[in-house]
Amino acid sequence: KQEVTQIPAALSVPEGENLVLNCSFTDSAIYNLQWFRQDPGKGLTSLLLIQSSQREQTSGRLNASLDKSSGRSTLYIAASQPGDSATYLCAAPNAGGTSYGKLTFGQGTILTVHP
Amino acid sequence: EPEVTQTPSHQVTQMGQEVILRCVPISNHLYFYWYRQILGQKVEFLVSFYNNEISEKSEIFDDQFSVERPDGSNFTLKIRSTKLEDSAMYFCASVRTGYGYGYTFGSGTRLTVV
Repeated sequence: KQEVTQIPAALSVPEGENLVLNCSFTDSAIYNLQWFRQDPGKGLTSLLLIQSSQREQTSGRLNASLDKSSGRSTLYIAASQPGDSATYLCAAPNAGGTSYGKLTFGQGTILTVHP
Repeated sequence: EPEVTQTPSHQVTQMGQEVILRCVPISNHLYFYWYRQILGQKVEFLVSFYNNEISEKSEIFDDQFSVERPDGSNFTLKIRSTKLEDSAMYFCASVRTGYGYGYTFGSGTRLTVV
């Protein structure tokens, strides 16, 4: 059974800081891993998808890495802005499954970026 | 960018009543899902649906729940007799098959059972 843990649970930083969010998963035979953003009371917006064959994926100021052997992924946010304030969720599929299997989510990191 | 559309955005219902939550997945996606998130808790998998049948379901998805794809576009979640503990945000998702495609989630339906 896949289990996903995210640390820290909450993070408050001043604008402009670079920051790292951490995700760990118990079963490393995953097909891919996905990072989402959730604003309060809203849906899940996909940020980055990393395939098992990739080590990194970048989109703008966001960079996600994947280390299957250690069961870890990190989301790096460069030059944070107040608009980045949200909950960031990491989700991993069933180990050994396809990209169509169910996702197991972490509890999220609540990020606050203050001006 | 194609979207997964969910309606209604918010539904309030009396305990014991039946509710139907509606979703329109992205048109070329083949796998469909329902997840839920109780306030302050993790997003939890409920059920996956492929080729007009359930492919996987969680322990949460008991006989009170059912899913249906009544036509070529809609995907519904029915809760037969709602309980207070069914109050949650319900998310529909779909995924396109093939390498490099992740899940797309809808904006959710907030269900409040009173």
